[in-house]
Amino acid sequence: DSGVTQTPKHLITATGQRVTLRCSPRSGDLSVYWYQQSLDQGLQFLIQYYNGEERAKGNILERFSAQQFPDLHSELNLSSLELGDSALYFCASSVRGGLNTEAFFGQGTRLTVV
Amino acid sequence: SQQGEEDPQALSIQEGENATMNCSYKTSINNLQWYRQNSGRGLVHLILIRSNEREKHSGRLRVTLDTSKKSSSLLITASRAADTASYFCATDAAGANSKLTFGKGITLSVRP
Repeated sequence: DSGVTQTPKHLITATGQRVTLRCSPRSGDLSVYWYQQSLDQGLQFLIQYYNGEERAKGNILERFSAQQFPDLHSELNLSSLELGDSALYFCASSVRGGLNTEAFFGQGTRLTVV
Repeated sequence: SQQGEEDPQALSIQEGENATMNCSYKTSINNLQWYRQNSGRGLVHLILIRSNEREKHSGRLRVTLDTSKKSSSLLITASRAADTASYFCATDAAGANSKLTFGKGITLSVRP
């Protein structure tokens, strides 16, 4: 158990809908990362937050947004969903989000858009 | 975009043999990390090697880093069936806010 909790584990929704994925980082970790994993694209970095502020942005679509709350949990909002958004979404956390720190991954949310 | 590229894409070996996996990357890095993923599960951190280190050991794992060639290798000695998983290298690019960029991974199958 990595200590990172993601909910829900599975989500099935229709095209055009909006969903929210939730992540609770390990106790004491200030940095949260979101990744999307699909068969064709591999593991893609979406966005990183550190202590409530956005720190780095990757290949995140405009239809997607995220935030980190004062209690350090994070949410990833996906809207106007398309079939191609079906993927595993992972959250990871690390202590400082700085140099030479390992990331701890949650078990992921499997999103299926039908 | 992928920073790291693993090689081979798939590897099948017999239990007890050694498994060697390679990773190449493009830009300067702070460190390189290897992760393991069992099917459909979260990634588990295996080992981190800093840019000023050349070799690191952890149990049956040995990682090397050659910054002049921008490459790393992961050696798993005396493999076990339980080592069957996907293995990813991830780079923490120098000069950027820390974000791990992953390769597409290597599928390792260890036959009992």
